[in-house]
Amino acid sequence: DVKVTQSSRYLVKRTGEKVFLECVQDMDHENMFWYRQDPGLGLRLIYFSYDVKMKEKGDIPEGYSVSREKKERFSLILESASTNQTSMYLCASLRGDSGSGELFFGEGSRLTVL
Amino acid sequence: GESVGLHLPTLSVQEGDNSIINCAYSNSASDYFIWYKQESGKGPQFIIDIRSNMDKRQGQRVTVLLNKTVKHLSLQIAATQPGDSAVYFCAEKDTGGFKTIFGAGTRLFVKA
Repeated sequence: DVKVTQSSRYLVKRTGEKVFLECVQDMDHENMFWYRQDPGLGLRLIYFSYDVKMKEKGDIPEGYSVSREKKERFSLILESASTNQTSMYLCASLRGDSGSGELFFGEGSRLTVL
Repeated sequence: GESVGLHLPTLSVQEGDNSIINCAYSNSASDYFIWYKQESGKGPQFIIDIRSNMDKRQGQRVTVLLNKTVKHLSLQIAATQPGDSAVYFCAEKDTGGFKTIFGAGTRLFVKA
């Protein structure tokens, strides 16, 4: 069974802390994505990566960075967490030759910043 | 200041009835339109997609209709079951592109 695994389901952090959200996929997909999900706003793309060490900004990259050192792993970093980054974070992967682009999602990481 | 989340549109249907979830999209250049289902506590899961050169596509108990004239997409679920209760997102994507743009979502409640 194909899988995208997000290491932390729930995190509580304090303002100013550095936060790492980890995501691993076992499908050998080239493309990986980080979205945040907020009620009524749908999923908004933060960053994506189409290859190892490659990254592209999505629609809301401010306050975030990413790292892709290995094909299977894509990390989202909050350098200095703020309360407005309290959200559900979803990682997804996509096969490189996928036409329609079926995204495979992890179960999400719910982050609360106090 | 603190932002207030928007209310999620909801649809409530009786078990066994058909459900129709609607979506308006914005980009005429999108090649694919996709529906995802998100159950409570889980990530979104692909249901069905339709290419822009099609008007209708059927899957198992689901049908997607695309009206490019008015930029409207709908998902029809036949004989809705309690397990269909979830948030449904429409999404659009262009071929070869990496970005999938999601709508705000619709919450479907199925009454027993």
